[in-house]
Amino acid sequence: KAGVTQTPRYLIKTRGQQVTLSCSPISGHRSVSWYQQTPGQGLQFLFEYFSETQRNKGNFPGRFSGRQFSNSRSEMNVSTLELGDSALYLCASRPPDHNSPLHFGNGTRLTVT
Amino acid sequence: AQRVTQPEKLLSVFKGAPVELKCNYSYSGSPELFWYVQYSRQRLQLLLRHISRESIKGFTADLNKGETSFHLKKPFAQEEDSAMYYCALQSGGSYIPTFGRGTSLIVHP
Repeated sequence: KAGVTQTPRYLIKTRGQQVTLSCSPISGHRSVSWYQQTPGQGLQFLFEYFSETQRNKGNFPGRFSGRQFSNSRSEMNVSTLELGDSALYLCASRPPDHNSPLHFGNGTRLTVT
Repeated sequence: AQRVTQPEKLLSVFKGAPVELKCNYSYSGSPELFWYVQYSRQRLQLLLRHISRESIKGFTADLNKGETSFHLKKPFAQEEDSAMYYCALQSGGSYIPTFGRGTSLIVHP
């Protein structure tokens, strides 16, 4: 099975711009979660989608949004980028068993200048 | 609210020395606990989970409910163990794992 795929791998944007990140989960996985990873804060949960619905949401401002398509692929959007948004954004999928661990992608490295 | 604390940001040991990466959690129910590892230039991946009670790459972790801890241990560290380690707690309800801030393990030759 192919793993979780995230595109693009790297992005450089300027303040005020917006960005869209994409994630394709492992086949059969309907739950997709997004995390922001930074050296100081570790992994912080953004949101989780299941069957095209946002099921859980972390404590991030409304500039961070996402969606999930019928094929379980997910996108994350960040509008009005700030310097502090520079981070590695990780996508993770999970099989139907809620107690299963997460399967992570390689991430998208976003740099905001 | 559930919380995971990894008190050490960095742990530096020599090859062959014992290693213990600490993880403490706060949660009132029965937790599901995991250790994830991220090697250099690789994706974050599951190392082990407490319900499996297995040893992976020589690492073990025991859930101590009295001390609310889930420390990761290895008797003899190897250079290839150098990585970032995250402890995670998953509970009923949302099933969204809460991660600690991570511990960077460096094993010197």
